[in-house]
Amino acid sequence: DADVTQTPRNRITKTGKRIMLECSQTKGHDRMYWYRQDPGLGLRLIYYSFDVKDINKGEISDGYSVSRQAQAKFSLSLESAIPNQTALYFCATSDSRAYEQYFGPGTRLTVT
Amino acid sequence: GNSVTQMEGPVTLSEEAFLTINCTYTATGYPSLFWYVQYPGEGLQLLLKATKADDKGSNKGFEATYRKETTSFHLEKGSVQVSDSAVYFCALSGYTGTASKLTFGTGTRLQVTL
Repeated sequence: DADVTQTPRNRITKTGKRIMLECSQTKGHDRMYWYRQDPGLGLRLIYYSFDVKDINKGEISDGYSVSRQAQAKFSLSLESAIPNQTALYFCATSDSRAYEQYFGPGTRLTVT
Repeated sequence: GNSVTQMEGPVTLSEEAFLTINCTYTATGYPSLFWYVQYPGEGLQLLLKATKADDKGSNKGFEATYRKETTSFHLEKGSVQVSDSAVYFCALSGYTGTASKLTFGTGTRLQVTL
């Protein structure tokens, strides 16, 4: 089984709808991250969490919110989706002793 | 702030050709450097890393050497295979005392043909 899982893998939604993307990990890591990937822009950090009680904004947090329900679960919400949030979204984890991160398979979100 | 610059792709090579993907960085302090690979339809996977100057990271025939004097971390492979076709991301993580955040380059797509 994959160490980092994301659901759904693909989602099409309409402008103005609220949507939640979920991430779970079995690696036992305390740090979790949400990124979005756009063609030609690489990956940009949306939010990150260093433990259950710690939530931090990344470089592009506007229009997004997160919830760290448990050490293993970190969800990303779009309160009112807009078309320019169409992107590939990745969850990642790391432990506090190392810098490398482990990525989920991604969620492809399309907002029409 | 920290930044990573990669050569633009796509890079198209024939099988068994030599690969170089250039990566330079700007950072304060002494960052760790990484190469991640993204195969079609998948998430990113760590390919190799180097944590200090002159370190060489290697994995699956790929190598990269942390060059502080030129602020570079170029990815090389002596003989590419079709299965190496993917997008490659250079990244750095700077020590801030609390953060293990990564700064990514924009990615370089590699296409290897028979």
